[in-house]
Amino acid sequence: AQRVTQPEKLLSVFKGAPVELKCNYSYSGSPELFWYVQYSRQRLQLLLRHISRESIKGFTADLNKGETSFHLKKPFAQEEDSAMYYCALTMGGATNKLIFGTGTLLAVQP
Amino acid sequence: KAGVTQTPRYLIKTRGQQVTLSCSPISGHRSVSWYQQTPGQGLQFLFEYFSETQRNKGNFPGRFSGRQFSNSRSEMNVSTLELGDSALYLCASSLEQGEAFFGQGTRLTVV
Repeated sequence: AQRVTQPEKLLSVFKGAPVELKCNYSYSGSPELFWYVQYSRQRLQLLLRHISRESIKGFTADLNKGETSFHLKKPFAQEEDSAMYYCALTMGGATNKLIFGTGTLLAVQP
Repeated sequence: KAGVTQTPRYLIKTRGQQVTLSCSPISGHRSVSWYQQTPGQGLQFLFEYFSETQRNKGNFPGRFSGRQFSNSRSEMNVSTLELGDSALYLCASSLEQGEAFFGQGTRLTVV
């Protein structure tokens, strides 16, 4: 069965420190991986997707098929990065169904 | 352009009642998906509609149903409400295959 695992419920770092939010997935096919972010009182929005290979707001994520991981990284955390982060996958084909991890709350301390 | 709009934003119902939630997708998007978000289970996929046809369905009981209209607007219905149905219900719209844009959600409380 398809599954996305985010092992950390909460990650607390200081401003300027590096951040790594972990995401592992299980899927036998070729998934598309995403990171979604939800800032306080805002709607869930796409942060980045692995096929675009873009860096958004200083965040990057590399798909490691060998380790079935898609960890989110940022070299220097900012207070405005504090939010809930969800890793998700779609199975490709004719569907937009997203399978989400349980989310990691990132708290950046001043 | 306008984002995904969900109505109503908040709803309180009693056990046994039924409820209908509405979602207006971004103009031009023909795919609409619904998700249930709870503190215990996180974000769980309910169903997806594309061009008025259900394209995918999650693992929810038959009390949860949905439909999509010719203008791509979608509704989901929950019958015989249970306390455990209290949740934030999110709608997302996409092009045929692409980035999902989410609405603000409908907060359903069952008492």
